[in-house]
Amino acid sequence: GENVEQHPSTLSVQEGDSAVIKCTYSDSASNYFPWYKQELGKRPQLIIDIRSNVGEKKDQRIAVTLNKTAKHFSLHITETQPEDSAVYFCAARTGNEKLTFGTGTRLTIIP
Amino acid sequence: DTEVTQTPKHLVMGMTNKKSLKCEQHMGHRAMYWYKQKAKKPPELMFVYSYEKLSINESVPSRFSPECPNSSLLNLHLHALQPEDSALYLCASSQGRGRSLNQPQHFGDGTRLSIL
Repeated sequence: GENVEQHPSTLSVQEGDSAVIKCTYSDSASNYFPWYKQELGKRPQLIIDIRSNVGEKKDQRIAVTLNKTAKHFSLHITETQPEDSAVYFCAARTGNEKLTFGTGTRLTIIP
Repeated sequence: DTEVTQTPKHLVMGMTNKKSLKCEQHMGHRAMYWYKQKAKKPPELMFVYSYEKLSINESVPSRFSPECPNSSLLNLHLHALQPEDSALYLCASSQGRGRSLNQPQHFGDGTRLSIL
């Protein structure tokens, strides 16, 4: 089955700086890669996703890049703000309905 | 503003009790999911229903019994749970296969379950 690795597990960034979280996946048939943000005590919330026929997608301060050859994808957050502090999960889906999640990154924005 | 509604928000039960978790969505989604999430861990898939049929069971113990009465509702029946089953149980939905591949899953707020 699919295996998704996520790094780093914790990340502290000065407010206004950029944050980058990286994930690798094992199954070359995976074709959909969402990113979720989960604040303490709340539900995972989809923030951006990318499909395998696209190399990059951007939504305001958030961008995701996908390298199918290397089987890795990354989340980029620019001009970070205190409200960006949360746990971020990457995920990969192969063909059925199953999402395999990464282990999560706790992002802390330092004011 | 979540479009997937889960009840109850919190549940405390003894190991001999029987209870049910409920999930409802009115987005016309045809795939619904149950996840279990322990503290500081990612969501762990338990079951997937696609067009009201069970399509994935991730080898979940039989003390957890899912049910999909119709395309908008998903239940999780609980019986004889163990203390290690204490967790946040999340429901999610997506458009499902045949409608539009690789559509996002939307999560509910979850039920925080504690087993005494």
